[in-house]
Amino acid sequence: EVQLVESGGGLAQPGGSLRLSCATSGFTFGRYWMNWVRQAPGKGPEWVANIKYDGSEIYYVDSVKGRFTISRDNPNNSLYLQMNSLRADDTAVYYCARVSHRTVDDQSRWRDFDIWGQGTMVTVSS
Amino acid sequence: DILMTQSPDSLAVSLGERATINCKSSQSVLYSSNNKNYLAWYQQKPGQPPKLLIYWASTRESGVPDRFSGSGSGTDFTLTISSLQAEDVAVYYCQQYWTTPYAFGQGTKLGIK
Repeated sequence: EVQLVESGGGLAQPGGSLRLSCATSGFTFGRYWMNWVRQAPGKGPEWVANIKYDGSEIYYVDSVKGRFTISRDNPNNSLYLQMNSLRADDTAVYYCARVSHRTVDDQSRWRDFDIWGQGTMVTVSS
Repeated sequence: DILMTQSPDSLAVSLGERATINCKSSQSVLYSSNNKNYLAWYQQKPGQPPKLLIYWASTRESGVPDRFSGSGSGTDFTLTISSLQAEDVAVYYCQQYWTTPYAFGQGTKLGIK
């Protein structure tokens, strides 16, 4: 069974840091683009960042550039999000999500998100 | 950046009746080289992550009931539930994956009349 399990969320002060982890299983992690997506309370999802299957390409939404760092450890099937200089508007549930493969050799990043974790809550407040 | 706008914000439909949700993108998400629309639909129930229903605007994900269908091209898209079931109560989101930042609509809350 394909699984994504996030951890590391919690309460942080404005200006503080948190490191989120996403443990994966049931698929060949090192062949897939992966994303972090967040959802503030009562709002729609917001894409945060993604990383190529080999870690050689990384993209961020403008609002987190310079503050968040996405990374991955393929031998350990894990995805990470280092969040620094946290702000109140970073408060959200953070999901890791897999980019789909629509053909056998498909490794494009321009695909839907077919598997999502259950999410981890990040609250930024003093 | 592409902006995704859904309508209506909320919708109540009787059990067994048709539900229709619309999504408009501020730019075309149709790639002429492969004639595919880079548009997905997700369903989200309370306390759960989004679940993929439809990709390429009209292709159902494996295991999704055939009462769910997607249509449209370019900038205008529709999700249709042909015969509403109680388990379809949820918030529905469209998403473009044509360019970064990938963008989601604001959501449409679907309930029972």
